[in-house]
Amino acid sequence: EVQLVESGGGLVQPGRSMKLSCAASGFTFNNYDMAWVCQAPKKGLEWVATISYDGSSTYYRDSVKGRFTISRDNAKSTLYLQMDSLRSEDTATYYCARQGDYPGMGFDYWGQGVMVTVSS
Amino acid sequence: DIQMTQSPASLSASLGETVTIECLASEDIYSNLAWYQQKPGKSPQLLIYYANSLNDGVPSRFSGSGSGTQYSLKINSLQSEDVSIYFCQQNYDSPRTFGGGTKLELK
Repeated sequence: EVQLVESGGGLVQPGRSMKLSCAASGFTFNNYDMAWVCQAPKKGLEWVATISYDGSSTYYRDSVKGRFTISRDNAKSTLYLQMDSLRSEDTATYYCARQGDYPGMGFDYWGQGVMVTVSS
Repeated sequence: DIQMTQSPASLSASLGETVTIECLASEDIYSNLAWYQQKPGKSPQLLIYYANSLNDGVPSRFSGSGSGTQYSLKINSLQSEDVSIYFCQQNYDSPRTFGGGTKLELK
């Protein structure tokens, strides 16, 4: 059974940093591109970042470029999101998601999500 | 960025009814369209990919159609467990963008 379990969220002050982790199991982690998707309270979904299966390529939405870093450790089957210079508008639930088998397929598995609140 | 416009924003329907949700892309996305269901307090789940392919385990009362810029999700014989928010997403270009969501409630 595919499982994605996020951790590391919580309350953080504006301008500070936070690192999210996503532990994957039930599939061959290093065969899949992975992504982070966020959802502000009572709002829609926003793609944040994607990393290729081998970590060689990364992609970010404009609003997080230069502040967030997506990475992975295939030996540990774990995905990360380092979030620096956090802003109040980064407040959201962050989901780890697996990119489906084909590029245009979408995200076929999602974690339960972890809440990040940026506030003083 | 490709803009995804969903309609309606909310929908109320009776058990057994058929409902349709629309999604309009700001440019041709060549059927690279996914639909997700998000139940209250839960994470999204993939229903449909490539506009009309049913994901594993998804009931056959769900179906997707469309091409170019216009897509739709149809739910036949509405069940109580279908109460959710539904999102479309284009997977043609980066950044991957989502529609604003359609909240489906029971009448």
